[in-house]
Amino acid sequence: AQSVTQLDSQVPVFEEAPVELRCNYSSSVSVYLFWYVQYPNQGLQLLLKYLSGSTLVESINGFEAEFNKSQTSFHLRKPSVHISDTAEYFCAVSAGGAKGNDMRFGAGTRLTVKP
Amino acid sequence: ETGVTQSPTHLIKTRGQQVTLRCSSQSGHNTVSWYQQALGQGPQFIFQYYREEENGRGNFPPRFSGLQFPNYSSELNVNALELDDSALYLCASSPTGFSYNEQFFGPGTRLTVL
Repeated sequence: AQSVTQLDSQVPVFEEAPVELRCNYSSSVSVYLFWYVQYPNQGLQLLLKYLSGSTLVESINGFEAEFNKSQTSFHLRKPSVHISDTAEYFCAVSAGGAKGNDMRFGAGTRLTVKP
Repeated sequence: ETGVTQSPTHLIKTRGQQVTLRCSSQSGHNTVSWYQQALGQGPQFIFQYYREEENGRGNFPPRFSGLQFPNYSSELNVNALELDDSALYLCASSPTGFSYNEQFFGPGTRLTVL
């Protein structure tokens, strides 16, 4: 089965600073990778995903993540954060080509953007 | 287009009781997955239903059971509640049962077991 490790439980940054949220995965098969965001008192929303093709994927609100197969990583980055980016971020992995859900989530990284 | 809805939003039960949580999937989705999210943790996969049949199960005991109805809505039932069952229960729907699909999450049901 797949597993995910999010290396930082909390990341405090100042507004307009760059940020990187780190995610490493473990799997014996090819994978699909996802980043979800959870705002307070809300469900999870998909931020971006890697299925195949270009290893750099982007979201509409300025986040990007790069799939690195040799490092088994899928780190999330943003060059300049806003107060509104304050939320919990979850990295998730599922087995490529699988029928049936086997999605595994990391423990989450709480991003706090300070003015 | 209506998103994923869950009911109730909050629930308080005592140890040993049984509980049923409900989920309505997003329009056009035939797959529902249930997750347990303990405080400070990521969601843990309980099981998935695809076209009314169980299509995968995580490491949860048999007292966690579910159903999916012909309209693709779903129920999660938990028998013999334990204190450790206190958590946020999330339902997510997707267009198919394949692992590449984005999952669309509901707001969750907060279960407290006393």
